[in-house]
Amino acid sequence: IAGITQAPTSQILAAGRRMTLRCTQDMRHNAMYWYRQDLGLGLRLIHYSNTAGTTGKGEVPDGYSVSRANTDDFPLTLASAVPSQTSVYFCASSDSGSGELFFGEGSRLTVL
Amino acid sequence: AQKITQTQPGMFVQEKEAVTLDCTYDTSDQSYGLFWYKQPSSGEMIFLIYQGSYDEQNATEGRYSLNFQKARKSANLVISASQLGDSAMYFCAMREHYNTDKLIFGTGTRLQVFP
Repeated sequence: IAGITQAPTSQILAAGRRMTLRCTQDMRHNAMYWYRQDLGLGLRLIHYSNTAGTTGKGEVPDGYSVSRANTDDFPLTLASAVPSQTSVYFCASSDSGSGELFFGEGSRLTVL
Repeated sequence: AQKITQTQPGMFVQEKEAVTLDCTYDTSDQSYGLFWYKQPSSGEMIFLIYQGSYDEQNATEGRYSLNFQKARKSANLVISASQLGDSAMYFCAMREHYNTDKLIFGTGTRLQVFP
């Protein structure tokens, strides 16, 4: 049972570099999300997608972009990483209407 | 705007005792959902319990119950008979709007269970 798979698990990145965090789900959920988790701030929504072909901005979208070419994949791209993007990133999905989010195991990103 | 507030950064409880983790929320929507997630030290997010705004009874899932007080806009998590494995970070979350599944999260409470 895979559920949601995120890659990489951990990455150290030089500032200014481009980085894509990958997220794949095998549950055929319509909706997918990217959150970042920072100490003392909880989880904050970066971008979301209600269905393949559509995306929307969350609470903290600046510096990030997403695409949703198909149901299963929802990559998050940092075009030019900055140290403030050091965080743990969680991808999640939901079966629209159920409310419950299913999370991946997270990707720890360090930008130096 | 919707908001979730968890005022307890950390809590301690002795094994086998009950503990309440506080959560208050703010929303102008009449229909909403409230969630609790557990995050152990390994990092994964584990769904614990859900309460709908129109549910008349408090949600329960095993040792977890949600003390839902709608007039006070509070949705406290009660863990009965605490176990060492309950030591974790706990997040309260709210479904932002009735017709989306976007969740907004509180800042979390770290629970430590000691023998």
